[in-house]
Amino acid sequence: KNQVEQSPQSLIILEGKNCTLQCNYTVSPFSNLRWYKQDTGRGPVSLTIMTFSENTKSNGRYTATLDADTKQSSLHITASQLSDSASYICVVSPPSFGNEKLTFGTGTRLTIIP
Amino acid sequence: NAGVTQTPKFRILKIGQSMTLQCTQDMNHNYMYWYRQDPGMGLKLIYYSVGAGITDKGEVPNGYNVSRSTTEDFPLRLELAAPSQTSVYFCASSGQSGRQPQHFGDGTRLSIL
Repeated sequence: KNQVEQSPQSLIILEGKNCTLQCNYTVSPFSNLRWYKQDTGRGPVSLTIMTFSENTKSNGRYTATLDADTKQSSLHITASQLSDSASYICVVSPPSFGNEKLTFGTGTRLTIIP
Repeated sequence: NAGVTQTPKFRILKIGQSMTLQCTQDMNHNYMYWYRQDPGMGLKLIYYSVGAGITDKGEVPNGYNVSRSTTEDFPLRLELAAPSQTSVYFCASSGQSGRQPQHFGDGTRLSIL
């Protein structure tokens, strides 16, 4: 069964610090890997999307990396801000299918404290 | 530009009652989706639609029904509410290919008591 596992489950860091969130997946092969940000009480919002051939993708202070050999992705947040407090969800899409076959991770809950 | 709008935001139902969760999008997207999000679990697909008049089951369709009479609207109906349907429901849409990142609504939090 295709799985997407994220670690840690939760993380607390001081404002201004950097952090890295991990995503391990078993979906292979895959078409693309996505990271979403979900604020409390809101729907997920797309941060990055990487195809299997890409190693890194940035969106402002967010940088996603992908190692297709080890089936790992990470999301690095630089100079964290209070507004970065949210859940971050890793999502993998298999080839030959659209969004109807996505596998969602359970997310990492990030809390930024002043 | 409103994006994806879901109503209501919160609802409490009694076991056996029925209700319809509304979803509308103004981006002219062909693809629309309904997910449920339970604590400690990843989002699970309930139903999806590739265009007006076309719907298909996702991973967890039991107890739900959908219809798609227009491009904009994709309502989700619960016929006989059960406690297992207590969850947060998200509607999403995506562009032409159905492979682009989805735009999500802000969810409906539903409790069945």
